Amino acid sequence: DAGVIQSPRHEVTEMGQEVTLRCKPISGHNSLFWYRQTMMRGLELLIYFNNNVPIDDSGMPEDRFSAKMPNASFSTLKIQPSEPRDSAVYFCASSQQGITGELFFGEGSRLTVL
Amino acid sequence: DAKTTQPPSMDCAEGRAANLPCNHSTISGNEYVYWYRQIHSQGPQYIIHGLKNNETNEMASLIITEDRKSSTLILPHATLRDTAVYYCIVRVNYGGSQGNLIFGKGTKLSVKP
Repeated sequence: DAGVIQSPRHEVTEMGQEVTLRCKPISGHNSLFWYRQTMMRGLELLIYFNNNVPIDDSGMPEDRFSAKMPNASFSTLKIQPSEPRDSAVYFCASSQQGITGELFFGEGSRLTVL
Repeated sequence: DAKTTQPPSMDCAEGRAANLPCNHSTISGNEYVYWYRQIHSQGPQYIIHGLKNNETNEMASLIITEDRKSSTLILPHATLRDTAVYYCIVRVNYGGSQGNLIFGKGTKLSVKP
């Protein structure tokens, strides 16, 4: 079975550019989570969706960040404009509500903003 | 969600049991204890979870105290591949609706030959 698929795996961009990170959750899962990980702050929950609806976006740092889930098999996290402090590894995870609640994580997207 | 407290680091000899403690003194009745681990540069991986009974699976055992204020994750025979950061998390899980999974700083377990 394919796990959570994230793209790109690595992205290097310049300050001010738009960045779009993509995630394909595991088929049949109805919850999707975006996390960010840095050395200083560890793993931070940015936003999560249930049945494609954003439930809690209180972790989104500021208006430069936005996330969408247009259907059950795809989600994006967009940063516009990007800043050097956005450099981090961004993880997407999915789970199936009502079962164990186990989250399955993707391999992450490493973003470097110069 | 309740907060958890874990030691920042631990060492364990290869082949020995690794016992990782976690304090969650403010846990509420509908919160489960979850354990995840993160091997360097990979996404976190689910290990085990429980409510109040002890649990065991192919990876580990989870021992929860009777008052539920603390728990211990046991890796019965640690290998070098078990070197990772281990996160203890408490999370609401009722009626199919689950709360956020909030990660703390975890315990960095180093398994040594």
